[in-house]
Parts: sequence; structure tokens; C-alpha cells
Amino acid sequence: KNEVEQSPQNLTAQEGEFITINCSYSVGISALHWLQQHPGGGIVSLFMLSSGKKKHGRLIATINIQEKHSSLHITASHPRDSAVYICAVRPPSVETSGSRLTFGEGTQLTVNP
Amino acid sequence: NAGVMQNPRHLVRRRGQEARLRCSPMKGHSHVYWYRQLPEEGLKFMVYLQKENIIDESGMPKERFSAEFPKEGPSILRIQQVVRGDSAAYFCASSPPAGGLYNEQFFGPGTRLTVL
Repeated sequence: KNEVEQSPQNLTAQEGEFITINCSYSVGISALHWLQQHPGGGIVSLFMLSSGKKKHGRLIATINIQEKHSSLHITASHPRDSAVYICAVRPPSVETSGSRLTFGEGTQLTVNP
Repeated sequence: NAGVMQNPRHLVRRRGQEARLRCSPMKGHSHVYWYRQLPEEGLKFMVYLQKENIIDESGMPKERFSAEFPKEGPSILRIQQVVRGDSAAYFCASSPPAGGLYNEQFFGPGTRLTVL
């Protein structure tokens, strides 16, 4: 079983729909990242969070440390949101294991016009 | 402020050749991470370096792979005697010296290695 599990693996939505991508992890963490990988392959960091909720434009990320679960929400989705969304976690001990990230397999999102 | 730079963006090698991948971190960043994304797979950690030091290389294959981050110049990921299974996208990320929860990583565009 992977340490980081994402669901769904694939998601197709119509433009304007509200989208939720989920991430569950089984290890202790110091922070969780949400990343976006576009078809060209480049990776952009969307959020880094360790508690609560963060919002940036139409994107919202939440994390529940007790339940070891995070969600990424996209409001008013648009075709340009089509990408792979990746959840990644960082271990709690920065000194011994550095800031290495452990990644989920990603969620392929397609937003149709 | 330029982002993380990687070159080359695409690299083609024949089996048995050497591949050298370069990563220039963001200005002011002294921590570099290398990740590999095999075809149809997720990203996997390879190595974490600070200037002149390898901090964590637990994700590096035991043979043929090495990494360095010299005092001057970019970080280099070197793959000797490449095999077809080395074909992948290799991403570099960097973060600032400040540790702890504020150590966000910024990713480069990746180098796509193809081994013929």
C-alpha cells in the first residue's frame, strides 16, 4: 500500500463544475503539498500546508491532521485547469530525512468546455 | 528572479553512454532535490543535497547514479552507462536555507531523458 493515496485517479468535469480531489496518507508528516503538472510536464507548486485551509483564487486546499486527509477543491472549473494534480507529503523530521517528498500517483483532471 | 532552471530539457543517449543533467536552483536557494518520474508512474525522490554535501541519497539507485552540488555552479545528476530503464523525466527542485515548515520546494521544468 502506498504511503500517499489519491482519489480519484481520473476525473472528467464540465466547465463550471466544482471539483474535489482527495489525498490520504498513512505516515506522520510536517507538511503536505499540492502540485500541478501540465501536459507539457512542468510542475507548479500550488499549496504547502500543515493545518487548516488555504485559498488561492479558485483553488482551496484543506487538511485534517487527525484524519490524515487533505482535499483540493477547484471552484468554477475551466478547461485550462486540465492537468495532473499531485499530493505530496514531507516527513516530520527535517534534520534526519531532509525535506524529501513522498508523492501520490496523481489525479488526471480533464475539464471539458 | 528566475525560477529553477534545468538543462538540457531533452536528452537522448544510446545505451552505455553517460548522461549529465544540470540544475540551477533559484537565487538564494541552497537546497536541491532530484526526483524521477518513470513513464506512467508517479514522482519518486532520489537525492537531497546542500552546497557541497549530500544530505539524503536513500532514493538513488546503488550503481551508476551520482549527484553533486558544488560550491560554485549547478547541481549535476550523473548517470553512467545508461540503460533503457533510465528513460524518464528527471525533476530538480530547490528550497531556501530556512528550515522547517517554511521550506517550500520550487520545481524546475524537468529533463526528459530518452535512452535508445
